[in-house]
Amino acid sequence: DAGITQSPRYKITETGRQVTLMCHQTWSHSYMFWYRQDLGHGLRLIYYSAAADITDKGEVPDGYVVSRSKTENFPLTLESATRSQTSVYFCASFSVNYGYTFGSGTRLTVV
Amino acid sequence: AQSVTQLDSQVPVFEEAPVELRCNYSSSVSVYLFWYVQYPNQGLQLLLKYLSGSTLVKGINGFEAEFNKSQTSFHLRKPSVHISDTAEYFCAVSVDTNAGKSTFGDGTTLTVKP
Repeated sequence: DAGITQSPRYKITETGRQVTLMCHQTWSHSYMFWYRQDLGHGLRLIYYSAAADITDKGEVPDGYVVSRSKTENFPLTLESATRSQTSVYFCASFSVNYGYTFGSGTRLTVV
Repeated sequence: AQSVTQLDSQVPVFEEAPVELRCNYSSSVSVYLFWYVQYPNQGLQLLLKYLSGSTLVKGINGFEAEFNKSQTSFHLRKPSVHISDTAEYFCAVSVDTNAGKSTFGDGTTLTVKP
């Protein structure tokens, strides 16, 4: 099916470990995003990308790194995971005609 | 910069009753407006959008919304809700000069009771 594929669906990692969340789109939407969703905070933008090799910080970028060497992939890396990064992470792409298309999310637990 | 306010954090309603979820926005330029729904343990999916043209837009699952420029609102309505409409609903706004970057509201939890 076309859309946004996130992997893994669930991840448990230890404090201090590096972890990468993957995101792949089957379209060629220019814009891609990473959000985290926590109870009481709604959706918070971590990073976004307007095109390949163009990325920019969102509301809560500290502790995260992104790259976008290809239009269809937008991985998110936690350089040294902390318990405060336990969350549900959503990747999305955007087109004016379809709005945002979200992946199913990655539920990350840092122990 | 644009902003979005969803006026109700929680809306309880009985099955088959009408519902309105309220969304106000602020922007000094033309906007695109969206409503998304999130069912438990799922990502958000697009319910409907306003880009231009008719101010009354119809979406999936019997929802509709009306764009009111003078009141800077984009309220979501459904004439008769079902138990399956229980979910969280997000309003979002993009400005036409940077359409790819939407601002999301904090969400409204709709709970439909039997």
